[in-house]
Amino acid sequence: GAVVSQHPSRVICKSGTSVKIECRSLDFQATTMFWYRQFPKKSLMLMATSNEGSKATYEQGVEKDKFLINHASLTLSTLTVTSAHPEDSSFYICSARDPGQGKYNSPLHFGNGTRLTVT
Amino acid sequence: TQLLEQSPQFLSIQEGENLTVYCNSSSVFSSLQWYRQEPGEGPVLLVTVVTGGEVKKLKRLTFQFGDARKDSSLHITAAQPGDTGLYLCAGAGVYNFNKFYFGSGTKLNVKP
Repeated sequence: GAVVSQHPSRVICKSGTSVKIECRSLDFQATTMFWYRQFPKKSLMLMATSNEGSKATYEQGVEKDKFLINHASLTLSTLTVTSAHPEDSSFYICSARDPGQGKYNSPLHFGNGTRLTVT
Repeated sequence: TQLLEQSPQFLSIQEGENLTVYCNSSSVFSSLQWYRQEPGEGPVLLVTVVTGGEVKKLKRLTFQFGDARKDSSLHITAAQPGDTGLYLCAGAGVYNFNKFYFGSGTKLNVKP
């Protein structure tokens, strides 16, 4: 079945540094990918929609200069957390839909997430 | 953003009991999905419902989509410890069926 791979699974960085998270669709092409953020024991909050070949669409309240998204190919989207601060520590998850699995019934395929800890 | 409220937020029950989780919104959805998530992992799809009034069964799990496509429920019969996890509903908008917004989540703990 369709698989989305996310890397790294865990990262610890110091305040002020930038961290890049990769999201790859392994056996399908994804013109659109989604980035979510999840706080401990909470639900997923949609951050942005990553569009292949064009600018990402950010949800209200999400800083586009803080969370840079690049979708350079049909199988890869990256999220870069710039000038990270401890409050950016969270679980970041990407997802994508396989367009070949139907318009409404196809599932969101999720990566296994990246646990970011900013010290 | 389309707000999805789930209830209850937490549920701790004994093995063998039945339970129902609700997902409610004031918005209409083109489709609604239910996911189950284990700690440290991404959510895994359980079911997708598209038609108002639709009922789907997956072994001991029964999913229903409201007639107006604004709400949904998940009923588990004879819960087992393996059902323990975070249950999430996610709705896709009418105008952008690709974009899903997640409910607030229900943390289920089934005690043996």
